[in-house]
Amino acid sequence: GEKVEQHESTLSVREGDSAVINCTYTDTASSYFPWYKQEAGKSLHFVIDIRSNVDRKQSQRLIVLLDKKAKRFSLHITATQPEDSAIYFCAASTGSNYQLIWGSGTKLIIKP
Amino acid sequence: AQTIHQWPVAEIKAVGSPLSLGCTIKGKSSPNLYWYWQATGGTLQQLFYSITVGQVESVVQLNLSASRPKDDQFILSTEKLLLSHSGFYLCAWSPRLGGLEQYFGPGTRLTVL
Repeated sequence: GEKVEQHESTLSVREGDSAVINCTYTDTASSYFPWYKQEAGKSLHFVIDIRSNVDRKQSQRLIVLLDKKAKRFSLHITATQPEDSAIYFCAASTGSNYQLIWGSGTKLIIKP
Repeated sequence: AQTIHQWPVAEIKAVGSPLSLGCTIKGKSSPNLYWYWQATGGTLQQLFYSITVGQVESVVQLNLSASRPKDDQFILSTEKLLLSHSGFYLCAWSPRLGGLEQYFGPGTRLTVL
């Protein structure tokens, strides 16, 4: 079945720098790729998503890139701030079976 | 605006005891509903989903069951808890038509002793 691999388990960046979190997927039929943020002890909060009909999407400081040939997608957080510190999860779905396949999460640490 | 509630906020239960967790969505008609389990510090595992009242599909077997007695309510339960059931249980919803984006409730933290 589909697998989603999230490559960085922990990522530490200096405040103001950019952070990049990478995910790869195995199912070529995957067409929907969301990202979620989980702050310590809390639930998941949707941050941004991308569908397979585009290769780039931006929402304020968040940019998602999708490379369908490489089966890879990434979350770029620009001008990082302390409140960006959290665990970020990527996921993938074919859109047809009500299932999201999740990555293992990346803990993002923003250093002052 | 849609709101999603989960109850209880936290539970401490004994091994072998029964469990019932609830989830209610207000402000959205006929949503798709989901139950997830997250081990401490771990990734998410989808447990069940439901696209309509009375219909629940199992994604993985963890000695748990789910029911959807009303359009806006999703229940997760078991008759006998195992130590391995400890973790964070999350309910989520997505729009019935065309929407893949899932919105999560605040979660229930379960500790089985």
